[in-house]
Amino acid sequence: GAGVSQSPSNKVTEKGKDVELRCDPISGHTALYWYRQSLGQGLEFLIYFQGNSAPDKSGLPSDRFSAERTGGSVSTLTIQRTQQEDSAVYLCASSFSLTREQETQYFGPGTRLLVL
Amino acid sequence: RKEVEQDPGPFNVPEGATVAFNCTYSNSASQSFFWYRQDCRKEPKLLMSVYSSGNEDGRFTAQLNRASQYISLLIRDSKLSDSATYLCVVRQAGRRALTFGSGTRLQVQP
Repeated sequence: GAGVSQSPSNKVTEKGKDVELRCDPISGHTALYWYRQSLGQGLEFLIYFQGNSAPDKSGLPSDRFSAERTGGSVSTLTIQRTQQEDSAVYLCASSFSLTREQETQYFGPGTRLLVL
Repeated sequence: RKEVEQDPGPFNVPEGATVAFNCTYSNSASQSFFWYRQDCRKEPKLLMSVYSSGNEDGRFTAQLNRASQYISLLIRDSKLSDSATYLCVVRQAGRRALTFGSGTRLQVQP
């Protein structure tokens, strides 16, 4: 079946502009995550959505970052007033499991963001 | 100090070699452990979960030492297709988010 999809695959923007990144999780997956990976760095958690529960926003680096998930499916990550340090690959993952221990997160191909 | 530390490598090994990667984690509340594989400019994919008793999947063996907060991955009979970055990943108790190491790069040479 279809995996996690993300769009756009690449985005070049100018410093100060806003960007929106989209994630379509695997159908039926109730949990959705956003991570980012900067050059040469490990993945860094940003935000987590689970069903209708309040999202875990503990990884968002500043108030310029926000995300929403509509209808329990598609999610958009918005970065306002982009800065050069926001340049990274933004990865979305989704999962479905009965228990946390059994959970496997499936990643999308990512959006490569370059802020000039 | 990073929560999950790995030797970045690269590890350059010939085909057929056995190679081992180590990883240490700093948070004793870590509860679940994984190895992910990431090919160049691709997304991470789960290689295997790591269980307390140790586990094996074909040529891959993972070990966990909770007392030392140490995880290992052993690859036997390396193939060219094993060339990738191997990410050590932990999840803390009570959290869903994963914490990733920066990865260890493996290059298997003919």
